[in-house]
Amino acid sequence: DAKTTQPTSMDCAEGRAANLPCNHSTISGNEYVYWYRQIHSQGPQYIIHGLKNNETNEMASLIITEDRKSSTLILPHATLRDTAVYYCIVRASNTGNQFYFGTGTSLTVIP
Amino acid sequence: NAGVTQTPKFQVLKTGQSMTLQCAQDMNHEYMSWYRQDPGMGLRLIHYSVGAGITDQGEVPNGYNVSRSTTEDFPLRLLSAAPSQTSVYFCASSYSWVRGTDTQYFGPGTRLTVL
Repeated sequence: DAKTTQPTSMDCAEGRAANLPCNHSTISGNEYVYWYRQIHSQGPQYIIHGLKNNETNEMASLIITEDRKSSTLILPHATLRDTAVYYCIVRASNTGNQFYFGTGTSLTVIP
Repeated sequence: NAGVTQTPKFQVLKTGQSMTLQCAQDMNHEYMSWYRQDPGMGLRLIHYSVGAGITDQGEVPNGYNVSRSTTEDFPLRLLSAAPSQTSVYFCASSYSWVRGTDTQYFGPGTRLTVL
């Protein structure tokens, strides 16, 4: 599975959009990009995933560059409850469902 | 649905003791896995199972055993606990590996301290 690089930490003002970047320059054609978050030592929570098209759901949007070497998770209107560690993971769909987590980005939403 | 449940929530062991961390899911998921998370670190995969009777190793399998006799349960066994196994342990499950059905659901975690 490809490696990912994320900033260690970010701040965002409450009510503003939070844009979390992820680099995955070694991603291969069959690898998906997944985003999870972990709030205050709870179990991680699924947010969104995509292959090459941009994706949106009720929680967030995922923007993947055309060359697929990087992506951005967008939380459109950040709230204090979005303060968490966000993990970007790339995974091939045929690798027995292993997810390899890095250290993620610690997002702090500021009132 | 209760989702993914883990017991116990907290446990303190002495070096050399054995114990089993329990994990159960009621979503009829094929895939289950165990992770550990050390302070300030991301999650690392210990073992996983793609179905009843089938298990395989992840990144950090040493010191841990697993079995999958039923679809619902995936216990993690520490045969001889060591202080290096002090960590938070998360169990996760997903319906399958197929795109659209591979979302992982995590349990609340077991906080283990080995003295």
